[in-house]
Amino acid sequence: QKEVEQNSGPLSVPEGAIASLNCTYSDRGSQSFFWYRQYSGKSPELIMSIYSNGDKEDGRFTAQLNKASQYVSLLIRDSQPSDSATYLCAVFSGGYNKLIFGAGTRLAVHP
Amino acid sequence: ETGVTQTPRHLVMGMTNKKSLKCEQHLGHNAMYWYKQSAKKPLELMFVYSLEERVENNSVPSRFSPECPNSSHLFLHLHTLQPEDSALYLCASSQESGTDYGYTFGSGTRLTVV
Repeated sequence: QKEVEQNSGPLSVPEGAIASLNCTYSDRGSQSFFWYRQYSGKSPELIMSIYSNGDKEDGRFTAQLNKASQYVSLLIRDSQPSDSATYLCAVFSGGYNKLIFGAGTRLAVHP
Repeated sequence: ETGVTQTPRHLVMGMTNKKSLKCEQHLGHNAMYWYKQSAKKPLELMFVYSLEERVENNSVPSRFSPECPNSSHLFLHLHTLQPEDSALYLCASSQESGTDYGYTFGSGTRLTVV
C-alpha cells in the first residue's frame, strides 16, 4: 500500500466551480498534513497545512482532515484558470520531519 | 537573496562526468533535504540532514553523494550516473522544531544524463 494516495486526474472543472481534491494516507500516527501546488516546470509551493480534525479555511482554499478515516481533502472555491496545476498531498511520517508526498492530482480549470 | 536557492537550474552530463548540485537556504532553518522528482512519480526523499548531520538515506545509490558543510548549504555530488537518473532534483529546508511546518523548496535542478 502506498503511503500517500491521490487520484492522478486530470480533474477538469469550469471556471467559478468548486474543485475537490482528495488524499488518503496509511500511517495512522501522522499528525501534520500539507497541500502543495506545483505548476508545470516549477517547484512545489506550500498552500495549506492542517493538524486537527475538521476544516481549515484560507481565502478560497479549505483543507479538511478526518484522522479516523485517514483522509485529507482540499477544496478550491471559485476556481480560476490560474489554479490549473498539480496539487500534492504531503504527510509527516516517522522521525526527523520526514515529509512523504502523494503522486499529485492534476487540476485543469477551463474558462 | 531569500528562500532556498538551487544551482544550476539545468544540467546535462555524460555518464562518465562528475558534477555537483548546490543548494543554499536563507531562512535560518536547521534541516535540509534532497528530493528526486521523476515524471508521473511521487517526490522521492533521498537524503535528510538535521543540524548538518545526515539522519536519513533512503537506499540511494552510491553514485549520489550528499554533503552538508553547514546549516545553510547542501550539495549533491554526482558521478557515473545512468540515464534513468534524469529527473528534477529538489532541495528543501525546514525548521525542525516540531512537525508544525512544511518544507520550503528551491526551484530545482533539471538534470539530463546522456
